[in-house]
Amino acid sequence: EVQLLESGGGLVQPGGSLRLSCAASGFTFINYDMNWVRQAPGKGPEWVSAISRSGDYTYYADSVKGRFTISRDNSKNTLYLQMNSLRAEDTALYYCAKEPGYIIGYDAFDIWGHGTMVTVSS
Amino acid sequence: EIVLTQSPGTLSLSPGERATLSCRASQSVTSNYLAWYQQKPGQAPRLLIYGASSRATGIPDRFSGSGSGTDFTLTISRLEPEDFAVYYCQQYGSSPTFGQGTKLEIK
Repeated sequence: EVQLLESGGGLVQPGGSLRLSCAASGFTFINYDMNWVRQAPGKGPEWVSAISRSGDYTYYADSVKGRFTISRDNSKNTLYLQMNSLRAEDTALYYCAKEPGYIIGYDAFDIWGHGTMVTVSS
Repeated sequence: EIVLTQSPGTLSLSPGERATLSCRASQSVTSNYLAWYQQKPGQAPRLLIYGASSRATGIPDRFSGSGSGTDFTLTISRLEPEDFAVYYCQQYGSSPTFGQGTKLEIK
């Protein structure tokens, strides 16, 4: 079964840091570009970041550029999101999402994890 | 950034009826790279349609997508009880963006 399992969320003070992880199973991880997508309570999803299958190319939403870093360890089938200088507006459920690999470049998201909650508050 | 505007905000229909959901983009979506998702409470979004009109794996044929350029439509031909949920459109022709959602509720 194809599965994505996020972890690492929690309560953090403004200006703090967190590192999210996403463990992938049931598919050949190295063959797919991966993404982080977040969803604030009661809001629609917001794309955060993407990484190519090799990890050589990374992309960020303007709202997180310079503060967040996406990475992956293909030997461990794991995706990461390092979040620094966190703000109240970063409070959201963070999903790991797989691309189906139909096209080169940005793509839809065919598999999502259940998410990990990040709350930024003093 | 491409802004996606979905309408209506809420759609009240009965099982068996036809649902038509709209998604309008602030500029043309490259190669019609437009997807539709269904989200139920406490669950992650589920991919229904990609490339504006292609159904994702395992999606029933009562779901169909159409449109091009800036205007896109998701149609559910005959509503089943499990179809009542929130629906989002997403464009991925450039830095991905999502619409604000349409809530499909039971009348």
